[in-house]
Amino acid sequence: GAGVSQSPSNKVTEKGKDVELRCDPISGHTALYWYRQRLGQGLEFLIYFQGNSAPDKSGLPSDRFSAERTGESVSTLTIQRTQQEDSAVYLCASSPGLAEYYEQYFGPGTRLTVT
Amino acid sequence: KNQVEQSPQSLIILEGKNCTLQCNYTVSPFSNLRWYKQDTGRGPVSLTIMTFSENTKSNGRYTATLDADTKQSSLHITASQLSDSASYICVVSARGSQGNLIFGKGTKLSVKP
Repeated sequence: GAGVSQSPSNKVTEKGKDVELRCDPISGHTALYWYRQRLGQGLEFLIYFQGNSAPDKSGLPSDRFSAERTGESVSTLTIQRTQQEDSAVYLCASSPGLAEYYEQYFGPGTRLTVT
Repeated sequence: KNQVEQSPQSLIILEGKNCTLQCNYTVSPFSNLRWYKQDTGRGPVSLTIMTFSENTKSNGRYTATLDADTKQSSLHITASQLSDSASYICVVSARGSQGNLIFGKGTKLSVKP
């Protein structure tokens, strides 16, 4: 079966533009997570979705960041009015349930560069 | 504050040698601890996961230990191979966190021929 996929793999954008990052989780996985990994830093939790529950948005760094998920499938992370400090690798992970109890499977990430 | 600290930050070893990576955490209440391997340009891949009651777990040449009393873990790599070159990330989950995992910054391991 296919793993978690993300697109695009690389994105270069100008400061002030909006970007949309996509994540396709493993089929049947109810939980989906977004993380940000800045160069030389650990992964930072951004947001997670679990089934039909309201998403936990507690990690989103500002109101320029938002994410949506359609049912238990595709998710998109949108960054509006990008800033240079948004440059990072954005990783998506999915799991059969909440990650506290289940294995997380990560996608390859989207490398975002804001110029 | 829940934190995970890893050492060393980076490590270079010769192929065939063993090495041990360290992880200290302050996450409470503790649920489980995981070690991930992250190859350059790839997402992390799980190596081991240990709960409070487990103090050692192996996955091939990788052996993780956990001391929940001192809040320390180690990852021992035996007979290293060139393909072991990667970042190794320690991740701790707090009980009731529902999935907000705490990630260390990782140890970057380079295995040289």
